[in-house]
Amino acid sequence: DGGITQSPKYLFRKEGQNVTLSCEQNLNHDAMYWYRQDPGQGLRLIYYSQIVNDFQKGDIAEGYSVSREKKESFPLTVTSAQKNPTAFYLCASNLRGSYNEQFFGPGTRLTVL
Amino acid sequence: DQQVKQNSPSLSVQEGRISILNCDYTNSMFDYFLWYKKYPAEGPTFLISISSIKDKNEDGRFTVFLNKSAKHLSLHIVPSQPGDSAVYFCAASETGGSYIPTFGRGTSLIVHP
Repeated sequence: DGGITQSPKYLFRKEGQNVTLSCEQNLNHDAMYWYRQDPGQGLRLIYYSQIVNDFQKGDIAEGYSVSREKKESFPLTVTSAQKNPTAFYLCASNLRGSYNEQFFGPGTRLTVL
Repeated sequence: DQQVKQNSPSLSVQEGRISILNCDYTNSMFDYFLWYKKYPAEGPTFLISISSIKDKNEDGRFTVFLNKSAKHLSLHIVPSQPGDSAVYFCAASETGGSYIPTFGRGTSLIVHP
């Protein structure tokens, strides 16, 4: 059945290490997104991609990087330059260029020690 | 500067009564609005939406009302059930933009049995 998956569910890393969060969807959606959720902050957009091999910075892109080599996959790398990386990260997808609602993955909780 | 505001961080309601969650926006270009529901440690799921050409949209126990002149929308849940206890996010997007929604910070609804 179709859906969007994120792995792992929980991730621990030492300060100064880069870490990559996985996001895969089999919904045949063109657009994919990464959000960060902090307590009381809502969902803040990190990066988005509306087509393969193209992506755009969101509101809080500093310290993050992405790639979109395949339609199904949109991995997010949290680099050592991200000052406060501990957060809940959500990946989403939808059809491009419309008001279609976004489908979200289950999220990855990243804790940097 | 928040363009979508949910000014009540939390709301507590008795089972069977009405829950009213409010959302205000500042960008007059927003013309499509969505509500998402989120349980802890899970991704949000789409609940209901409304276009600016309407002032009401209903889906079962959930109704969204839009007051464009006041730049205000509200989500009504009638009757409220304990399973409705979750965080509710309001989101808004605009035609001619990227269609990417801007999210509010969320309202945590607790429905007491």
